[in-house]
Amino acid sequence: RKEVEQDPGPFNVPEGATVAFNCTYSNSASQSFFWYRQDCRKEPKLLMSVYSSGNEDGRFTAQLNRASQYISLLIRDSKLSDSATYLCVGGVSGNTGKLIFGQGTTLQVKP
Amino acid sequence: NAGVTQTPKFRILKIGQSMTLQCTQDMNHNYMYWYRQDPGMGLKLIYYSVGAGITDKGEVPNGYNVSRSTTEDFPLRLELAAPSQTSVYFCASGKSGGADTQYFGPGTRLTVL
Repeated sequence: RKEVEQDPGPFNVPEGATVAFNCTYSNSASQSFFWYRQDCRKEPKLLMSVYSSGNEDGRFTAQLNRASQYISLLIRDSKLSDSATYLCVGGVSGNTGKLIFGQGTTLQVKP
Repeated sequence: NAGVTQTPKFRILKIGQSMTLQCTQDMNHNYMYWYRQDPGMGLKLIYYSVGAGITDKGEVPNGYNVSRSTTEDFPLRLELAAPSQTSVYFCASGKSGGADTQYFGPGTRLTVL
């Protein structure tokens, strides 16, 4: 079983739609979680960190459920510019800063 | 700040050739990482370093070597290139070993024929 699992999609949604991505992780020792965004043929960039209390940044909301080992990302009012691959990422415990990446979920927002 | 820079951007190698992928960061980060990303897949950690002079293996280190003689530079060496090493290679750096952002370079696209 992969340590971080995501539905690869693609998710095809119209502009203005609300879309949710889910991610599960298997390593209960993981302490920190993130969503990274990766545009086609570009490097990943941090979108937002994920906290147990939830984290909202504009149209984006991230949630962590440690009991279910489940992470979510909600995008409201989708824009064409949101089209990208969203990587669910878990931090490995210990002081190495190592991250475990999911394979990513591709979002295509259509006009 | 330039952030994390990588050279070259693209490279085609023949089977058995060797090369070094360069990575430099100007953010004075202690932690640096090398990943590879195959098409449609997530990033896999090749090697990482928690400071100058200290390196350790990641998930997929076979066929690669690294060194970290300075805080800024973390080159990745491919010896005896194989088609299985065709991939996009990303270098990243982080300020600390805790729950911290990693900053990625633009990547090197390597094809081994």
